[in-house]
Amino acid sequence: DQQVKQNSPSLSVQEGRISILNCDYTNSMFDYFLWYKKYPAEGPTFLISISSIKDKNEDGRFTVFLNKSAKHLSLHIVPSQPGDSAVYFCAASGGPFLKNYGGATNKLIFGTGTLLAVQP
Amino acid sequence: DVKVTQSSRYLVKRTGEKVFLECVQDMDHENMFWYRQDPGLGLRLIYFSYDVKMKEKGDIPEGYSVSREKKERFSLILESASTNQTSMYLCASSISPGTSSYFGPGTRLTVL
Repeated sequence: DQQVKQNSPSLSVQEGRISILNCDYTNSMFDYFLWYKKYPAEGPTFLISISSIKDKNEDGRFTVFLNKSAKHLSLHIVPSQPGDSAVYFCAASGGPFLKNYGGATNKLIFGTGTLLAVQP
Repeated sequence: DVKVTQSSRYLVKRTGEKVFLECVQDMDHENMFWYRQDPGLGLRLIYFSYDVKMKEKGDIPEGYSVSREKKERFSLILESASTNQTSMYLCASSISPGTSSYFGPGTRLTVL
């Protein structure tokens, strides 16, 4: 039962254009959402997050949008650069500071990832 | 500069061997995690620990065990390695389990 889904395994975009990576979730208890970026042979690095009380969060070229009613979030990268080529994972949890261990939503649940290729 | 280190980047073991993967973090985080990454399956949680000597099963704990004797160190143990445990293993730590985690560089384990 995949609670966090990234339906596009790969995406190819031209340098300078917008990259849009999508993520859907099924558990309405998720309250906090994150995006990670992973280069080959390295661990994932945290990119940006959003709490359910917001519908948008921006950090430089990266913007995350959250549509709670649709249980959908997206990551926009503008403008895309060749160095952005990596696997992007979305993740969800019940909240950043929950400590009720044993609960279904007290830890990060990751999606399957989308491989972004930015062509020069 | 925060750091999560893993004992090996690449490891090759034989079926039936006992395998130890070590992870150390220098951020004084209470929470530590072990994931495996496989193509098309994303990151799947094997085990996590929220305190010294405390552990909780993740989504795929079968065939694995863990040890947390010190706050900074979290070990993953494959009791009897099998070929289906060939994977990239990633260790992470965080302030709380539901927030952003810092990941180590990963260990690419091949079981022959």
